[in-house]
Amino acid sequence: EVQLVESGGTLVQPGRSLRLSCAASGFTFEDHGMFWVRQAPGKGLEWVAGISWNSGTRGYADSVKGRFTISRDNAKNSLYLQMDSLRLEDTAFYYCSKEGVGPFQHWGQGTLVTVSS
Amino acid sequence: QSVLTQPPSASGTAGQRVTIYCSGSSSNLGYNSVHWYQQQLPGTAPKLLIFSNSQRPSGVPDRFSGSKSGTSASLAISGLQSEDEADYYCASWDDSLSGWVFGGGTKLTVL
Repeated sequence: EVQLVESGGTLVQPGRSLRLSCAASGFTFEDHGMFWVRQAPGKGLEWVAGISWNSGTRGYADSVKGRFTISRDNAKNSLYLQMDSLRLEDTAFYYCSKEGVGPFQHWGQGTLVTVSS
Repeated sequence: QSVLTQPPSASGTAGQRVTIYCSGSSSNLGYNSVHWYQQQLPGTAPKLLIFSNSQRPSGVPDRFSGSKSGTSASLAISGLQSEDEADYYCASWDDSLSGWVFGGGTKLTVL
């Protein structure tokens, strides 16, 4: 069974940094592209970033480009999101997601990042 | 303002058929597939319902169906059940943005 478990979400001040992690199990991690998707409280889903199986291709939403970095460690079956220069509008649940038959086929339960002074 | 446009709400009674629409442009739905997601409660994990316009992943009931024509797509739910009450999102790749885009979501109420 595919399992994606996010961690690292917390309360952080504007301008500070935070690193999210996603531990994957139940599938061959190195074979699949991975994503981060977020959802602000009371709002819809927003794609944040994606990374190919070998880290050769990475993409970012305009709202986070230059501030967030997606990475992965296939040896550790882990996905990461380094978030720098955090803003109030980055407050959201952050979901780790795996591609499959379609994009975002499997999802973790999410981790909450709150940016507030 | 989302790149893909969905009505904020939809409703139907148990047993009815309901259709949710998603409108885009040539840079997304015009040349790329649409995918649909169900989220039972905000802050909980969404579920892939339909991929590549009309395909259902294993385990998704055939009450759910999808279609796409030009720059518009739709998700139909037949035999509406109370457990179908949820938020539904469409998504597609956008060539101009070089990224994935979601619709704003449609909240389905089963009356």
